Amino acid sequence: GESVGLHLPTLSVQEGDNSIINCAYSNSASDYFIWYKQESGKGPQFIIDIRSNMDKRQGQRVTVLLNKTVKHLSLQIAATQPGDSAVYFCAENKYGNKLVFGAGTILRVKS
Amino acid sequence: KAGVTQTPRYLIKTRGQQVTLSCSPISGHRSVSWYQQTPGQGLQFLFEYFSETQRNKGNFPGRFSGRQFSNSRSEMNVSTLELGDSALYLCASSLGTGGYEGEAFFGQGTRLTVV
Repeated sequence: GESVGLHLPTLSVQEGDNSIINCAYSNSASDYFIWYKQESGKGPQFIIDIRSNMDKRQGQRVTVLLNKTVKHLSLQIAATQPGDSAVYFCAENKYGNKLVFGAGTILRVKS
Repeated sequence: KAGVTQTPRYLIKTRGQQVTLSCSPISGHRSVSWYQQTPGQGLQFLFEYFSETQRNKGNFPGRFSGRQFSNSRSEMNVSTLELGDSALYLCASSLGTGGYEGEAFFGQGTRLTVV
């Protein structure tokens, strides 16, 4: 099926450090790119999105960067906390409410 | 405001059987999308329902079907279950205005195990 990435890498960071999670996407025609966080036993939770005509968008402690030239998306989390430990997914919005998700990245925060 | 409710949370079925999963969206939301999550394939879009009509469909066989009721509650059905159908099935609720709406609200999912 459709997929953005196939592997599930793990990122380990020290509490208080900044985290950068990366994602490569495939469809240049996507209008929106979104980051979701999934904690164990829960459904994905929206973090932040960015429209394709933007390069950067900031939220509370998070920043999303979009590089359309190399089809790359990143999520930066400032001052990472133990509660940030989860699997992070990037997703593309192709049309309507259909989301195409990446494979995900595990973020582990060490105290 | 109640979140997205999926029932049941866990199911164990035998190969060849069929199963029906239920999703109640957030009050006022008219769009319900379904996703399958497996370790091998990740999160994959199944279909979206809006106003009792299927609006988008993913690349799944016809054994996977769904419907939506007038109160926006949705069900998905999988017939002739296969071992590979074992997965976490998630539904997402959104307003349903037609274009991208930003945040989609996910339920906790139904964990289906086929034996």
